[in-house]
Amino acid sequence: DQQVKQNSPSLSVQEGRISILNCDYTNSMFDYFLWYKKYPAEGPTFLISISSIKDKNEDGRFTVFLNKSAKHLSLHIVPSQPGDSAVYFCAASEIQGAQKLVFGQGTRLTINP
Amino acid sequence: NAGVTQTPKFQVLKTGQSMTLQCAQDMNHEYMSWYRQDPGMGLRLIHYSVGAGITDQGEVPNGYNVSRSTTEDFPLRLLSAAPSQTSVYFCASSSSGWGNQPQHFGDGTRLSIL
Repeated sequence: DQQVKQNSPSLSVQEGRISILNCDYTNSMFDYFLWYKKYPAEGPTFLISISSIKDKNEDGRFTVFLNKSAKHLSLHIVPSQPGDSAVYFCAASEIQGAQKLVFGQGTRLTINP
Repeated sequence: NAGVTQTPKFQVLKTGQSMTLQCAQDMNHEYMSWYRQDPGMGLRLIHYSVGAGITDQGEVPNGYNVSRSTTEDFPLRLLSAAPSQTSVYFCASSSSGWGNQPQHFGDGTRLSIL
């Protein structure tokens, strides 16, 4: 049973516009949610995270929104740049579970010039 | 500062062979994990460790063994390789177990079992 789901396998966005990546989860015990970015032949790199006690966290062009009642989070990238083209993974952990991340399937984001 | 180093980067095995995937980190992190990535399934946790001498199973542990004799190293052993273990394997580490501490990943080992 998939506890973290990313229902869009791919997303194509024009350069300069907003990219919105979505993620749903089912486990109410998750306390932290993280987004990772992955280029081909490299490991995932941490992008941004949010605690379950917050509904928004912003870091430069990246903002993560959390809707606990809907068990839904989203990553907004504004403005999108060609270097943002990558696979994005949503991940979740319990309060002391940094070593036990639960990942979504990933969304391949393509930024078109 | 190398971070998390995985070796080898690529490996082809025959069914039934055994091998060890190496993982080393130079950040003095206590917490380390192994994941496998399969198409359409994201990353799934195989085994993890919260310190030297302490390991535990993740979501998909069958067919794999781990040990943690030092803080730096966390090898993953395939006991008798099967085609279903064809995957990309990632090792990761974090400084603490708190969920807000992001894991740092190696660049992976691509393993093919014939």
